[in-house]
Amino acid sequence: AQKITQTQPGMFVQEKEAVTLDCTYDTSDQSYGLFWYKQPSSGEMIFLIYQGSYDEQNATEGRYSLNFQKARKSANLVISASQLGDSAMYFCAMSTFSNDYKLSFGAGTTVTVRA
Amino acid sequence: NAGVTQTPKFQVLKTGQSMTLQCAQDMNHNSMYWYRQDPGMGLRLIYYSASEGTTDKGEVPNGYNVSRLNKREFSLRLESAAPSQTSVYFCASSGRGVGPWGTEAFFGQGTRLTVV
Repeated sequence: AQKITQTQPGMFVQEKEAVTLDCTYDTSDQSYGLFWYKQPSSGEMIFLIYQGSYDEQNATEGRYSLNFQKARKSANLVISASQLGDSAMYFCAMSTFSNDYKLSFGAGTTVTVRA
Repeated sequence: NAGVTQTPKFQVLKTGQSMTLQCAQDMNHNSMYWYRQDPGMGLRLIYYSASEGTTDKGEVPNGYNVSRLNKREFSLRLESAAPSQTSVYFCASSGRGVGPWGTEAFFGQGTRLTVV
């Protein structure tokens, strides 16, 4: 079975600073994908970034980067230069070959950006 | 592009009533999903459909049924609603499962269901 753990229920960050959201995962699969989603207060789920288990380089998408440490089974999201609009719930998710690539989610981390 | 459309957006049911949540996607995706979101628990998979005509139970299937009507549509039915089914429900779709050679999952806007 696979499991995603997000240990930070809530975080505060100052505008323009960087913030790191922790995500650890547990799987025995060699083939898997790791995803981050953003859920603002309006409720929609917005895809941010993806990392495949075979990808050697960390994924980046604009101000988002994924710090992938395979040996430690961690996939932390880094948001650089935080903006007020980054205030939201952030979910880490994983899909694995043995689970038919169904997406499993962590409990989420709430980020509040202060002006 | 509409993406993933689910209806209704809000619903209040009395205990024991039934209802069907509708979901349609226009991205020609094979895989479709139903999740429920409860505070502090992230999103939990209710049912999954890898392709038209196939469905599979997820983490929390009890009390629900699904129908993959065609490639576009995947409905979720509550036969006898219970207060424990009060939640926000999301439908999602993806190109080929969700994995290193698949697309990310695209989500509908969500349905806020209250069972009293």
